[in-house]
Amino acid sequence: QQQVRQSPQSLTVWEGETAILNCSYEDSTFDYFPWYHQFPGESPALLIAIRPVSNKKEDGRFTIFFNKREKKFSLHIADSQPGDSATYFCAASEAGNTGKLIFGLGTTLQVQP
Amino acid sequence: DSGVVQSPRHIIKEKGGRSVLTCIPISGHSNVVWYQQTLGKELKFLIQHYEKVERDKGFLPSRFSVQQFDDYHSEMNMSALELEDSAMYFCASSLANSDYTFGSGTRLLVI
Repeated sequence: QQQVRQSPQSLTVWEGETAILNCSYEDSTFDYFPWYHQFPGESPALLIAIRPVSNKKEDGRFTIFFNKREKKFSLHIADSQPGDSATYFCAASEAGNTGKLIFGLGTTLQVQP
Repeated sequence: DSGVVQSPRHIIKEKGGRSVLTCIPISGHSNVVWYQQTLGKELKFLIQHYEKVERDKGFLPSRFSVQQFDDYHSEMNMSALELEDSAMYFCASSLANSDYTFGSGTRLLVI
């Protein structure tokens, strides 16, 4: 049973559009929700993270929207660029342990110029 | 700050063989975790150490053992390797309960 579900599996957008990647989770004890991106042949790199005390977090073109009641969170990438093309993983961990991350299966994003 | 350093980068072993993967965390980071990534997709939590003590264990096979040393570097000893162990192995480190930085990984191929 996948505790963190991610959709879509793949996504193609045009340059300049907003890409929306979605995740949902099962466990109510999760309280740390990061997004990582991974380029081919490289390691995952932290992009942005949120805790349930907030329902939104922004960092430049990247925004996490968080809905605690529905146990869903999403990553919005505004003004998508071809350089954003990568695999994006959402994850979750329990309170007090940001190391034990449960990852989603990833969304492969392709930004077409 | 040279980041999290993993070695070797690539390794090929025969089925039934042994291997040792090494992880040097960022200076001062006492938290080290290991993840396995198969088929370039699913990332599975294997094990976590904090201040040289095992804090949590996930999908780590009993054939594998992990130790963290006084300087906080970590070693994964893998034995009786199986074809299914072929994967990327990432370690990551952090300070306290903060964000983790991943190393560049070790690609293990079991033939």
